[in-house]
Amino acid sequence: DVKVTQSSRYLVKRTGEKVFLECVQDMDHENMFWYRQDPGLGLRLIYFSYDVKMKEKGDIPEGYSVSREKKERFSLILESASTNQTSMYLCASLSTGEKLFFGSGTQLSVL
Amino acid sequence: GDSVTQMEGPVTLSEEACLTINCTYTATGYPSLFWYVQYPGEGLQLLLKATKADDKGSNKGFEATYRKETTSFHLEKGSVQVSDSAVYFCALINAGNNRKLIWGLGTSLAVNP
Repeated sequence: DVKVTQSSRYLVKRTGEKVFLECVQDMDHENMFWYRQDPGLGLRLIYFSYDVKMKEKGDIPEGYSVSREKKERFSLILESASTNQTSMYLCASLSTGEKLFFGSGTQLSVL
Repeated sequence: GDSVTQMEGPVTLSEEACLTINCTYTATGYPSLFWYVQYPGEGLQLLLKATKADDKGSNKGFEATYRKETTSFHLEKGSVQVSDSAVYFCALINAGNNRKLIWGLGTSLAVNP
């Protein structure tokens, strides 16, 4: 069965720390996405990637960067975590049939 | 640009009640339309989709019809169960949009026994 795996279910970090969120998919998909989900705001796209080493900013890229060195892995980096980055982070990959597969999410708390 | 508007929640229903969650969209061209569902504590998963006008997507007793004339894709179920309690997201994808999905804000559904 298709799988998108996010490395951590819960993370607690301190303000100013550098944070890495990892996402791995086993479906050989080209397109991968990072979203954050906040109550009342729905899903907001942070970054996406349509191929290895290719990335594009989404709607809210400030304070984030990404890395896609291998097709199966798409990492989200918080360069210097801040309290307003406390959120649920969702990774997804897109099949050729336009179906998005999501990971279970990482609930990040920045103290 | 493209956008999706869905009815605000929360929606609270009794078991076996009828459900309609409204979704309308604005898009150029011919987008594909989707409903995703997020059960408590989980990521989102595809519920159903429709790729062209008048297509009906269906799954798990849910249905939605792609209405180009009203730019709508309302989600319906004739008899909801407690296990349908979740957040439902309407979304579209447009070929000219680099395959990014455009999302509604989500509608929370709670079904009481």
